[in-house]
Amino acid sequence: KNEVEQSPQNLTAQEGEFITINCSYSVGISALHWLQQHPGGGIVSLFMLSSGKKKHGRLIATINIQEKHSSLHITASHPRDSAVYICAVRYETGNQFYFGTGTSLTVIP
Amino acid sequence: EPEVTQTPSHQVTQMGQEVILRCVPISNHLYFYWYRQILGQKVEFLVSFYNNEISEKSEIFDDQFSVERPDGSNFTLKIRSTKLEDSAMYFCASSEGTSYGYTFGSGTRLTVV
Repeated sequence: KNEVEQSPQNLTAQEGEFITINCSYSVGISALHWLQQHPGGGIVSLFMLSSGKKKHGRLIATINIQEKHSSLHITASHPRDSAVYICAVRYETGNQFYFGTGTSLTVIP
Repeated sequence: EPEVTQTPSHQVTQMGQEVILRCVPISNHLYFYWYRQILGQKVEFLVSFYNNEISEKSEIFDDQFSVERPDGSNFTLKIRSTKLEDSAMYFCASSEGTSYGYTFGSGTRLTVV
């Protein structure tokens, strides 16, 4: 049940590039959370999705419930976007979130 | 913007000692959570708390762990007799409800020696 897979594990991009991070899960969910973890360890919630698409600034998150897949896109990437991006899902039964292992993003100037 | 506050930011304790990690959730939030992250590993759920009682807990949350909301503002996690493998970053989070995202605290790094 607790299978949340992210790809890629590590990603290096040039400043300005369009970035996509993928998350897939194995069974039906009630919500999916995209989070950002900075080198110091703090975690920031970016989006919570149960369907469709959400946009905030240069970040876009999409989810395809049928395919059990979500993507996080960063447009016009910047070095300050360098962080670990984590996908977490809440299954239809229960209230807890199960976390993926994260995608470590480095944006080079 | 409202924040979840965790104290201390770093705690070092001897094996076998009791530790209490403290959290002040956002005031109008109703659901409270503790998660932990062992260095280099993914974040793991420990416990959720709603309406002054535990609503869900993981296998990690054994009898050595307890949570309390002693005064309506603080939310604490107690580890009774710490083990080396309890060394981790412990995150508190709160949310307005199950349809809402979480706000995380900045974490307490616990080191058991």
